[in-house]
Amino acid sequence: QQPVQSPQAVILREGEDAVINCSSSKALYSVHWYRQKHGEAPVFLMILLKGGEQKGHEKISASFNEKKQQSSLYLTASQLSYSGTYFCGTEEGSGSRLTFGEGTQLTVNP
Amino acid sequence: DAGVTQSPTHLIKTRGQQVTLRCSPISGHKSVSWYQQVLGQGPQFIFQYYEKEERGRGNFPDRFSARQFPNYSSELNVNALLLGDSALYLCASSTTSWGGETQYFGPGTRLLVL
Repeated sequence: QQPVQSPQAVILREGEDAVINCSSSKALYSVHWYRQKHGEAPVFLMILLKGGEQKGHEKISASFNEKKQQSSLYLTASQLSYSGTYFCGTEEGSGSRLTFGEGTQLTVNP
Repeated sequence: DAGVTQSPTHLIKTRGQQVTLRCSPISGHKSVSWYQQVLGQGPQFIFQYYEKEERGRGNFPDRFSARQFPNYSSELNVNALLLGDSALYLCASSTTSWGGETQYFGPGTRLLVL
């Protein structure tokens, strides 16, 4: 079942912060976060694994609440380059099949 | 280092035709997954291959098939194309088929079915 992302869209001014949430009704093995700009491939940002391990970019932070099967991506001091659509992809087992949410469109204005 | 490459970048076909899309994974990666992304939606899993064996299949009809070659590159075939097959087809590679691995996406093949 597809994870639910919120908000669907958010508009920021440069320097502002944002939080994007991803929620699943299934028990998750991991949560993957990607950013996709229009017409381009999704770019890997972060993996959060069951048990607390995280892998990803130093400037990106995220959390994974295993009890609630929820993950949040924290974007601080936003830059114009942060604009794009953010997707969370969830793994229910250890077989690396990702189920993606519908995305959160982030726009950062000067 | 070269990333995931896909060919062709764009393709226009008519209903009923067949199409073959190609993907070369990052050097050293043995797993390839295929995703379909319809405009305005997240990618949807189609297949995963690891060491030339199918390791997973999404909810797609039998018109969709794939294979992986000894050099770990992969092909996705779609037969009897429908208008609804118009989408961006993404290939992602990872080192293994185990969970928790980073999947790196290629630029995609944009397929338009008329």
